[in-house]
Amino acid sequence: EVQLVESGGGLVQPGGSLRLSCAASGFTFSNHAMTWVRQAPGKGLEWVSAISGSGGSTYYADSVKGRFTISRDKAKNTLYLQMNSLRAEDTAVYYCAKDPYVDPYYMDVWGRGTTVTVSS
Amino acid sequence: DIQMTQSPSTLSASVGDRVTITCRASQSISRWLAWYQQKPGKAPNLLIYKASSLERGVPSRFSGSGSGTEFTLTISSLQPDDFATYYCQQYNSYSLTFGGGTKVEIK
Repeated sequence: EVQLVESGGGLVQPGGSLRLSCAASGFTFSNHAMTWVRQAPGKGLEWVSAISGSGGSTYYADSVKGRFTISRDKAKNTLYLQMNSLRAEDTAVYYCAKDPYVDPYYMDVWGRGTTVTVSS
Repeated sequence: DIQMTQSPSTLSASVGDRVTITCRASQSISRWLAWYQQKPGKAPNLLIYKASSLERGVPSRFSGSGSGTEFTLTISSLQPDDFATYYCQQYNSYSLTFGGGTKVEIK
């Protein structure tokens, strides 16, 4: 069974950092692009970042470019999102999702999400 | 970036109704469009990809159509399990974007 489990969320002060993880199982990790999508309380879905299957190509929304870094560890079957210089508007549930292809297109499997709260 | 606009933002319907949701792109995206369903407190679930291809396991009452800049998601006969929020997402470019969502409520 394909499964994605996010972790690493929590409460952080503005300007702080947090690293999210997404443990993947049930599929060949390096054959699929991976994506982070977030959802602020009561709001819609917002694409955050994506990474190709090889890890050689990364993509970011303008709202997080220069502050967030996406990466993946093939040996650990794990996706990461390093979040720096956090702002109140980064408060959201963060979902990791799997793409059917090696490049990011759409998401066919989603994790349950991890909550990030940025507040003093 | 490509902007995606959904309409309506909220839709009230009854069980058995035919429901149509529209998604418009700010520029042509060919057929590179996906639809998702999300229920409160849950992760989104893929319904449709490449504008009209039904994801495995999704009931056939869901269908998608369109190309270029205008797309629709249709539920042929609304079921109790279908009351949820629906999102479109374009993947014409690697800067992916979602529509604002359409909430389907019970009338």
